[in-house]
Amino acid sequence: DGGITQSPKYLFRKEGQNVTLSCEQNLNHDAMYWYRQDPGQGLRLIYYSQIVNDFQKGDIAEGYSVSREKKESFPLTVTSAQKNPTAFYLCASTLDRDTNWHEKLFFGSGTQLSVL
Amino acid sequence: GQQVMQIPQYQHVQEGEDFTTYCNSSTTLSNIQWYKQRPGGHPVFLIQLVKSGEVKKQKRLTFQFGEAKKNSSLHITATQTTDVGTYFCAGKIQGAQKLVFGQGTRLTINP
Repeated sequence: DGGITQSPKYLFRKEGQNVTLSCEQNLNHDAMYWYRQDPGQGLRLIYYSQIVNDFQKGDIAEGYSVSREKKESFPLTVTSAQKNPTAFYLCASTLDRDTNWHEKLFFGSGTQLSVL
Repeated sequence: GQQVMQIPQYQHVQEGEDFTTYCNSSTTLSNIQWYKQRPGGHPVFLIQLVKSGEVKKQKRLTFQFGEAKKNSSLHITATQTTDVGTYFCAGKIQGAQKLVFGQGTRLTINP
């Protein structure tokens, strides 16, 4: 089955700790995205990547880092600099080669991050 | 700040009643997408509207894109318990190639 796999489903972070959320897709999509979802709010873009070895900051990139070493993988690290990390994190991808990125998003099942 | 406003934030209806959620943008949109997120789940793409004044239907769901391409609506006729969830609009800001999500409308249904 093609899709996007996020792990873990639940993650707990201690103060001062960096944690990494995994996102893997086998859809052969070019672009990948990380969103943060807080209760009662829409999705906010953290980082996105349109091609391997390249990524750009979204609207709320501070306290986060990413890498895109492989087309299939786009891990997100929540660093200790992110003071309010508790949220639901969603990874997404779109096919869009060359044109119009951010078309039809396919989402993973999400990771709920909480602070201990 | 938030450029796509979605209302209402919450809507509770009796099963069989209609439901409508509205999105308004401060700037012209290239297109608008709609997603549904079931409780505990992830957003799933429903539809994309591109043309001014466009209307699309999916069974009991009707999607509209305004003439000025600044607003959109999703209307559900005769709601069913399977319609429960949060509905998000996401507008692609013209010229900026940026997708901005509305805050979502959470629909609950009394069977």
